[in-house]
Amino acid sequence: DAGVIQSPRHEVTEMGQEVTLRCKPISGHNSLFWYRQTMMRGLELLIYFNNNVPIDDSGMPEDRFSAKMPNASFSTLKIQPSEPRDSAVYFCASSRQQETQYFGPGTRLLVL
Amino acid sequence: SQKIEQNSEALNIQEGKTATLTCNYTNYSPAYLQWYRQDPGRGPVFLLLIRENEKEKRKERLKVTFDTTLKQSLFHITASQPADSATYLCALGTNTGTASKLTFGTGTRLQVTL
Repeated sequence: DAGVIQSPRHEVTEMGQEVTLRCKPISGHNSLFWYRQTMMRGLELLIYFNNNVPIDDSGMPEDRFSAKMPNASFSTLKIQPSEPRDSAVYFCASSRQQETQYFGPGTRLLVL
Repeated sequence: SQKIEQNSEALNIQEGKTATLTCNYTNYSPAYLQWYRQDPGRGPVFLLLIRENEKEKRKERLKVTFDTTLKQSLFHITASQPADSATYLCALGTNTGTASKLTFGTGTRLQVTL
């Protein structure tokens, strides 16, 4: 299996621009998680889906952040408009309704 | 408030020694606890899981203990090697009925030297 796939791997954008991060979970996994990692706050859960349905979005920092999972093999995390404080590494992870989560390589976002 | 604490300072040990990393938590009642390894520029990788009713779990050179009274987990790497150098994250798990949710500590960086 290819593992969790994320794109892009790196994104540099200017403040105010829209940013879309993409994730393809491992085939057969029915839970998908979006995390943000920074030096100051560590790895934070933003939102997670089960069977394509958002279950808990309490970690989404603001209305500027939104996430969708239109089908079992694709999810997006969108930031609009982006701000410099959104700069971080964003990870997607998936699991098969078990406890172990499999992480993608991350998207390193820099908002100037 | 809920808190997960890992030693924020890097742990430096000599090759062949046992590395011991600590994870303390407050105001949590986790169903299980996991340890992940993270290398620079990569996502975390699962290592071990231990449940609330288990005291100890082993896998090759790795050993995890879980004391729900002390609210602490210890992670041991025996006969450490330079390849074990990485950041190690503990994560507390809760089962929400529909999915398992993890809350991560900030991690401890381990450096194994020759």
